[in-house]
Amino acid sequence: KQEVTQIPAALSVPEGENLVLNCSFTDSAIYNLQWFRQDPGKGLTSLLLIQSSQREQTSGRLNASLDKSSGRSTLYIAASQPGDSATYLCAVRRRPGGGADGLTFGKGTHLIIQP
Amino acid sequence: DVKVTQSSRYLVKRTGEKVFLECVQDMDHENMFWYRQDPGLGLRLIYFSYDVKMKEKGDIPEGYSVSREKKERFSLILESASTNQTSMYLCASITLTQYNYGYTFGSGTRLTVV
Repeated sequence: KQEVTQIPAALSVPEGENLVLNCSFTDSAIYNLQWFRQDPGKGLTSLLLIQSSQREQTSGRLNASLDKSSGRSTLYIAASQPGDSATYLCAVRRRPGGGADGLTFGKGTHLIIQP
Repeated sequence: DVKVTQSSRYLVKRTGEKVFLECVQDMDHENMFWYRQDPGLGLRLIYFSYDVKMKEKGDIPEGYSVSREKKERFSLILESASTNQTSMYLCASITLTQYNYGYTFGSGTRLTVV
């Protein structure tokens, strides 16, 4: 059964720092990996999607990498801002067809950017 | 942009009530999903659907059922609500026809069962 782990569980850094959030998964047979952001009491906002054949994706100050063989992904946030404060969730998608679809989520990294 | 709309942000129901949580998406997506989110447990898949009138159990289906009579609408049903079903419920959808698209989530329904 796929398990997704995110480290650290919580992180507090001063504004302006670059930071890395880590995600690892136990079964490398994934279809894709998606990073989400969740603000308190709200739903999930998709940040980046990496297909299993890709190594990285970039959007603005965000860069996500994927090393499928080692079961790891990182989310890099450049020049952090207080508005980046949120919980960041990593999720891997099982191969569709022949069984359960859906995402397996990590428990998230709670990020606080201090002004 | 794809929109996934959950009809209620907050609900308070009594133990034993039948509860309906509604989710509607506007992009003709084939797949729809219901998750619940609890502190320390993360998000867990309850049910999903590949198409109209089709449903599949997720990881924690006990105490829940679903209905998908139209492609755009996926309902989660708590037949007899219990306090351990107090949670944040999240609906999501995804298309099968676009390889590079990911999941889109609704804004969530915070359900409290008293």
